[in-house]
Parts: sequence; structure tokens; C-alpha cells
Amino acid sequence: DTGVSQDPRHKITKRGQNVTFRCDPISEHNRLYWYRQTLGQGPEFLTYFQNEAQLEKSRLLSDRFSAERPKGSFSTLEIQRTEQGDSAMYLCASSGLAGGPSHEQYFGPGTRLTVT
Amino acid sequence: GEDVEQSLFLSVREGDSSVINCTYTDSSSTYLYWYKQEPGAGLQLLTYIFSNMDMKQDQRLTVLLNKKDKHLSLRIADTQTGDSAIYFCAERDQAGTALIFGKGTTLSVSS
Repeated sequence: DTGVSQDPRHKITKRGQNVTFRCDPISEHNRLYWYRQTLGQGPEFLTYFQNEAQLEKSRLLSDRFSAERPKGSFSTLEIQRTEQGDSAMYLCASSGLAGGPSHEQYFGPGTRLTVT
Repeated sequence: GEDVEQSLFLSVREGDSSVINCTYTDSSSTYLYWYKQEPGAGLQLLTYIFSNMDMKQDQRLTVLLNKKDKHLSLRIADTQTGDSAIYFCAERDQAGTALIFGKGTTLSVSS
């Protein structure tokens, strides 16, 4: 098991462009989370999936953000019409190992987004 | 609302013990966590404690929980330079899904 992976690791984009990030959770984890972390802050929750169902969304997730987990495995996070305030590290986490401690969230390395 | 507070910086000498403190607000939190983040990296789950426990020890790490005061601490024994990182305390939200993080404590270890 290689852990949670995220792609790309870094993304530089111009304001107004759309970007999409991918997260591959630990295999067999049925729960997947997206967080955003800005400089000097702890991660802030964005959204949560159980299998393919998006069950919870933070008020931080504006209309320009959309997340999907179409087959209950990998997930994508898209930001439309990026703004400079979207510059942050986007972290993905997964949990829910069958028969094990489902509360432990394991994080990927993150995607650092810079909007110029 | 839910909130987690931590002191921002801690500086220790190699070989000393480090104690990182955290206060939280949600008395119904079932689990409380400590994560470690190295520069440019994601978060590594170090340990957690269930709310019906007072203490948990895991090798060099000791977690103490005072539910009455809503105070959590992480003690690192024999601190090494490789322990230099940002340490985050986190509690689960009331829905039991998302984690609520503090701003992190930067631990600096000098040799």
C-alpha cells in the first residue's frame, strides 16, 4: 500500500483559469476528504465522500469549487475561474479501512496551487 | 463553535523533552489527534487518544488528556533534530467526520 497520492504536486495558473486536482486514496478506504491549508494555518475542511456519495460540504466550498468521486475510488477537485485567494495547499485524506479503525485520517502530500 | 488553540512556537535542545499544548472547545469530541507536518509535505498521523482515556504512550510520545479543562498535550521524550516540524492538534467535528485543526506549533530542535 503506497498511501494517499495526489497529482499534481504543484500547479501554477493564471487568475481566471480552471484547474483540476486528483487524489487517489489508500486502497479499500471508503471515506475521502479534501482540506485546504493556507500559510501559517492548519488545514480547513472542504468536503467529504463516503464511497461515491458527497455527504458533507463546508461553507468554504464556494460555487466555483466542485468535487467528484465517480466510482468511489479516486476523487477530483476542480476550481473554476481561479482567484488569487485560492492559492493554498490542497490536501486529500482517506479513512475507513474495513474492519479497522475508521476514524484515522491519512493525508496525501498535497497539491500546492499558486494563482498569479 | 468548535475551536482548537495551540501555542505557535517551541524551541528545545536535542535530548530534552518537548511538551506541546492544545486546548479544544467541543466536549463531545470522541477522538483527539496529533499530526506532524514537515516543510512542503502533507500531514503524518502521529497518535490519537480516545476521550475516555487520560493518557496514552507510544514509544517516545506521551499524550495527556484533561477533559475537565479540555486540555491536550503531546510530550516527546529525548527530542531529536528530526523532530523539528509543525505539530497540529485536531478534534473531530460534531458530525464526527471532519477534523478541526489548530494553527500548529512549530518545534525547533537545536543540537
